[in-house]
Amino acid sequence: DAKTTQPTSMDCAEGRAANLPCNHSTISGNEYVYWYRQIHSQGPQYIIHGLKNNETNEMASLIITEDRKSSTLILPHATLRDTAVYYCIVRVEGNQGGKLIFGQGTELSVKP
Amino acid sequence: DAGITQSPRYKITETGRQVTLMCHQTWSHSYMFWYRQDLGHGLRLIYYSAAADITDKGEVPDGYVVSRSKTENFPLTLESATRSQTSVYFCASSGQMEGQAGNQPQHFGDGTRLSIL
Repeated sequence: DAKTTQPTSMDCAEGRAANLPCNHSTISGNEYVYWYRQIHSQGPQYIIHGLKNNETNEMASLIITEDRKSSTLILPHATLRDTAVYYCIVRVEGNQGGKLIFGQGTELSVKP
Repeated sequence: DAGITQSPRYKITETGRQVTLMCHQTWSHSYMFWYRQDLGHGLRLIYYSAAADITDKGEVPDGYVVSRSKTENFPLTLESATRSQTSVYFCASSGQMEGQAGNQPQHFGDGTRLSIL
């Protein structure tokens, strides 16, 4: 299973962009990169995913390097409500229904 | 409102008791999953189901039983609860994976906090 490495914690000023990095150097060609977040006492929330190309939705942007060994999740205008633990996950194709393997994640603190 | 709901949200029981955690989704998703979350272990897969009447074990299935008689429901039963099963349990679902697997996100419920005394 491809492993991901994320910083343990990050701070971001409210209104600024939050850039959360993730390394996944052993990713296979057909494995997707997923991002979830978990706000205290809630279930994990899906944010975005991608394979090769950069992706954008209403919540965030995902930038994947050309060699696919790393990616960055961008929250363009962070708010206090974005304070959460963010998980970068490589989706294991066909393995146990495409199970998600959650690492320790990055604890993002958005400060006023 | 459509989505995935878990019940109960909180449960306290005693060792040796049977307890069932419920999960219901309104998306008609094919896949459903049960995870548990513990400090120091992150989320770990207990069981999953690819469709009604099809279930399979995940990483930590011992002590748990699942069934899926209907697409929308995926109950998890602890047949004889132990203290080590005190945890937060999350149910998730995702759509049918066609073509390249892995491109259907899982959506999670808000969890059941289970304490076993």
